[in-house]
Amino acid sequence: KQEVTQIPAALSVPEGENLVLNCSFTDSAIYNLQWFRQDPGKGLTSLLLIQSSQREQTSGRLNASLDKSSGRSTLYIAASQPGDSATYLCAAETSGSRLTFGEGTQLTVNP
Amino acid sequence: DVKVTQSSRYLVKRTGEKVFLECVQDMDHENMFWYRQDPGLGLRLIYFSYDVKMKEKGDIPEGYSVSREKKERFSLILESASTNQTSMYLCASSTQTGGNQPQHFGDGTRLSIL
Repeated sequence: KQEVTQIPAALSVPEGENLVLNCSFTDSAIYNLQWFRQDPGKGLTSLLLIQSSQREQTSGRLNASLDKSSGRSTLYIAASQPGDSATYLCAAETSGSRLTFGEGTQLTVNP
Repeated sequence: DVKVTQSSRYLVKRTGEKVFLECVQDMDHENMFWYRQDPGLGLRLIYFSYDVKMKEKGDIPEGYSVSREKKERFSLILESASTNQTSMYLCASSTQTGGNQPQHFGDGTRLSIL
């Protein structure tokens, strides 16, 4: 059974700092790895999807990498801003379009 | 943009009631999903559906059922609500494209069972 772990559980940084969020998964037989953002009391917003054949994806200040062999993905946020404060979730897609989620990293960017 | 709409943001019901949570998507997606989200437990899959009239159990189906009579609508039913079903419920949809499209989520329904 796939298990997804995110470290750290919470992170507080000053504005402008570059930061890395970590995600690990136990079963490398995945179709893709997805990163989401969740604001308090809201649903999830898709940020990046890395297919199993890809190594990384970029969108603006966000860059996500995938190393299937080691069961790891990282989300890199450049020049963080207070508006980046949210919970970031990673999820591994396995057969049947099913996602297994990590518990998330709660990010606070201080002005 | 894909729009997934959940019928209620907040809902308060009583123990033993039959509760319906509705979800509608406007992108003709084949797949639809119901999750619940609890502190310390993350998101857990309750039920999902690949097509009209089809349903599959997720990881925690006990106490729930679903209905998908039309492609755009997926309903979650709490047959006899209990206090341990107090939670945030999230609906999602996706297309069947071999793993290159993300799931799209609604804003969630925060359900309280008293």
